[in-house]
Amino acid sequence: GEDVEQSLFLSVREGDSSVINCTYTDSSSTYLYWYKQEPGAGLQLLTYIFSNMDMKQDQRLTVLLNKKDKHLSLRIADTQTGDSAIYFCAESRRGGGADGLTFGKGTHLIIQP
Amino acid sequence: DVKVTQSSRYLVKRTGEKVFLECVQDMDHENMFWYRQDPGLGLRLIYFSYDVKMKEKGDIPEGYSVSREKKERFSLILESASTNQTSMYLCASSLSGTSYNEQFFGPGTRLTVL
Repeated sequence: GEDVEQSLFLSVREGDSSVINCTYTDSSSTYLYWYKQEPGAGLQLLTYIFSNMDMKQDQRLTVLLNKKDKHLSLRIADTQTGDSAIYFCAESRRGGGADGLTFGKGTHLIIQP
Repeated sequence: DVKVTQSSRYLVKRTGEKVFLECVQDMDHENMFWYRQDPGLGLRLIYFSYDVKMKEKGDIPEGYSVSREKKERFSLILESASTNQTSMYLCASSLSGTSYNEQFFGPGTRLTVL
């Protein structure tokens, strides 16, 4: 079955880079996603990557995709206190758009001053 | 600005009660979803709907039902609430026909069943 794995916590110093890792199982996923959840709020799409891409960069965010190892990572450059949140990796269920997403358990990003 | 709203932020119910959680989106989206979020378990899909009056089971539908009578509204029903249904419930919607299927989430309803 589909499963998405990620570590539960990551602690970094303000100004350093954060790298959040994720492994997934469904090789038919067309898109892979990173969602961000700030305290007391719902999830918000942060970025996504198409499965035929290796890398996507968007300002401070860099997504790397290794399809062979089914490994996805999110790098946040110059981490700020406002980046403190839970980050969820997700893939499309059964490769389809209307079928909902399979989420990882979420990585709590903790910023140290 | 796109918006998904949920009827309550916090709800306290008793075991055995029938519970309705309401979700409304104003983006004319075809697809709507209900997830529950639990610490250490992430989000799990309960039910989803890709059209009015259509519904599909997600990964954990047991103990829940849904209703979609209008395109903008998707209701989650707990027929007889139990303590193991204490959780954060998140509603989401998405547009069909887009390439990357962005889901827009509501703020969540934290349900406590006593």
